[in-house]
Amino acid sequence: DAGVTQTPRHEVAEKGQTIILKCEPVSGHNDLFWYRQTKIQGLELLSYFRSKSLMEDGGAFKDRFKAEMLNSSFSTLKIQPTEPKDSAVYLCASSFWGEPEQFFGPGTRLTVL
Amino acid sequence: GDSVTQTEGPVTVSESESLIINCTYSATSIAYPNLFWYVRYPGEGLQLLLKVITAGQKGSSRGFEATYNKETTSFHLQKASVQESDSAVYYCALGGKGFASALTFGSGTKVIPCLP
Repeated sequence: DAGVTQTPRHEVAEKGQTIILKCEPVSGHNDLFWYRQTKIQGLELLSYFRSKSLMEDGGAFKDRFKAEMLNSSFSTLKIQPTEPKDSAVYLCASSFWGEPEQFFGPGTRLTVL
Repeated sequence: GDSVTQTEGPVTVSESESLIINCTYSATSIAYPNLFWYVRYPGEGLQLLLKVITAGQKGSSRGFEATYNKETTSFHLQKASVQESDSAVYYCALGGKGFASALTFGSGTKVIPCLP
């Protein structure tokens, strides 16, 4: 079975650009999470979807970050406009409804110049 | 909010020696959260090492074990004999009960096995 897929694996953007990160959850999973990982802040939640409905949206990330579930097997995270402080690894995870374990993708490393 | 505090790394340990990574949690919104240890091996993604969802129970995997202690709000990770292949970053995390919810992670502990 395919795990969580994330593309691209690496992204370099200029300050002010719009970037879109993509995630495909494990087939059949109902819950999808976006996290951001930095050395200073560690792993932080950006968004959480259940069956395509937004359940939780990290308060600190609302203004320039927008996650969407276009269908049950595809999600995007848009950052607009990007800033150098957005440089981080963005992780997508999914799980079955009611199951505690989350399965993580390999992450997208974003560098904003 | 919820928080997780774990041993600051890196932790260097001689191969065949024992390892303990401390983890304590504060769950203000969840009475008895689910507790996890995730691991990231070099060049790989984050993966579940073990989980315990019932207070007082112990979880184990790949020679590692951790016991859910609700009295001390701790979930320390232990291994009796570390191997080179245990080189990784270990994350303690907590999550909600009865439904999938976002995880709250500790800052991660890098473990570096070395020759005795």
